Amino acid sequence: GDSVTQMEGPVTLSEEAFLTINCTYTATGYPSLFWYVQYPGEGLQLLLKATKADDKGSNKGFEATYRKETTSFHLEKGSVQVSDSAVYFCAVSDPIRKLIWGLGTSLAVNP
Amino acid sequence: DTAVSQTPKYLVTQMGNDKSIKCEQNLGHDTMYWYKQDSKKFLKIMFSYNNKELIINETVPNRFSPKSPDKAHLNLHINSLELGDSAVYFCASSSDRGEQYFGPGTRLTVT
Repeated sequence: GDSVTQMEGPVTLSEEAFLTINCTYTATGYPSLFWYVQYPGEGLQLLLKATKADDKGSNKGFEATYRKETTSFHLEKGSVQVSDSAVYFCAVSDPIRKLIWGLGTSLAVNP
Repeated sequence: DTAVSQTPKYLVTQMGNDKSIKCEQNLGHDTMYWYKQDSKKFLKIMFSYNNKELIINETVPNRFSPKSPDKAHLNLHINSLELGDSAVYFCASSSDRGEQYFGPGTRLTVT
């Protein structure tokens, strides 16, 4: 079945460091890919998405590119801030509109 | 304007009790979901309804029963609560494009 593999956390960075959180997936067909962010004590929020190969999703300085050849959707940000501290989830859609979720990666950014 | 709302935000109750969590969305979406998130942030889908019809029913104890009175509401009733039911429960809804929008969560603590 479909699955998502995310790099394990926690990830700890200093402010202004470069961030990469790896995400790979297995899926049939042409799924849509998503990154969600969960700030402490809150629900999940859609961060960015991509719906077809080579699409780049971007939002709040974060980017991820849909790479069908490597089945990857890695999340990147050039310069993280303390306010980016959160848990990040990668997800892939399946044909019945269910999302298959990664386990989440906790990010802590220190000033 | 809250898009997906849940009540209550916190629920503390004793083992053996029955409780309900309510969810409402004002996004006009046809599909709604219930998720359980454990203390390690693992997100597990429980149920999904599309236009009041159950379409996803994952392996969840019979003590959990969803009810959708209309497509804007999806409630979750839990009978005979157990310690292991303690978690954060999220409601979500989705459009045809597949991205899901989450409520703020209900933190259930069973003592």
